[in-house]
Amino acid sequence: AQRVTQPEKLLSVFKGAPVELKCNYSYSGSPELFWYVQYSRQRLQLLLRHISRESIKGFTADLNKGETSFHLKKPFAQEEDSAMYYCALGGSGNTGKLIFGQGTTLQVKP
Amino acid sequence: DVKVTQSSRYLVKRTGEKVFLECVQDMDHENMFWYRQDPGLGLRLIYFSYDVKMKEKGDIPEGYSVSREKKERFSLILESASTNQTSMYLCASHPAKSSGNTIYFGEGSWLTVV
Repeated sequence: AQRVTQPEKLLSVFKGAPVELKCNYSYSGSPELFWYVQYSRQRLQLLLRHISRESIKGFTADLNKGETSFHLKKPFAQEEDSAMYYCALGGSGNTGKLIFGQGTTLQVKP
Repeated sequence: DVKVTQSSRYLVKRTGEKVFLECVQDMDHENMFWYRQDPGLGLRLIYFSYDVKMKEKGDIPEGYSVSREKKERFSLILESASTNQTSMYLCASHPAKSSGNTIYFGEGSWLTVV
């Protein structure tokens, strides 16, 4: 069964500390993984996707097929990173149908 | 820039009322979605439409129906609202001709059923 698991509901760090938001997935085929972010009072928006292999706002995520993980990392957290983060899984077929994890709230304290 | 617009941002409805949530996208996308967002549960797919008049059930379709009479508009209907349908509803769209599964969200509709 296709599934995305984000084990932490809340991650609280101090400004300047490293951040890692965990995401594990279950999928038998070739997955497409995403991180979406929702800032306060804003719409859910794409942060990054694994096939782009880019860094957005200092965040990176590497797909580890052996561990079926796609953890989101940032070396130095900023207060403006405080938001809800969702990991999402898309399968083959290019339908846009995504399976989302439960979400992790990142709180960056001053 | 993709624009997905949900016309009603905040609604309060009574139990048993019929509720319509409207979503419009301006990028000629073939695929449109309705998700429900609940704390601790993430986003769950209610319905999916891949073309006008075409629809497919998602993971939690019970108590909901949808309508797609025009390509740009996708409506979510609660035939008889119940308190357990109090939630944030998110509409999204996706261009079928694109490579990949990136989808674009509206701002959301907060529905409270009392």
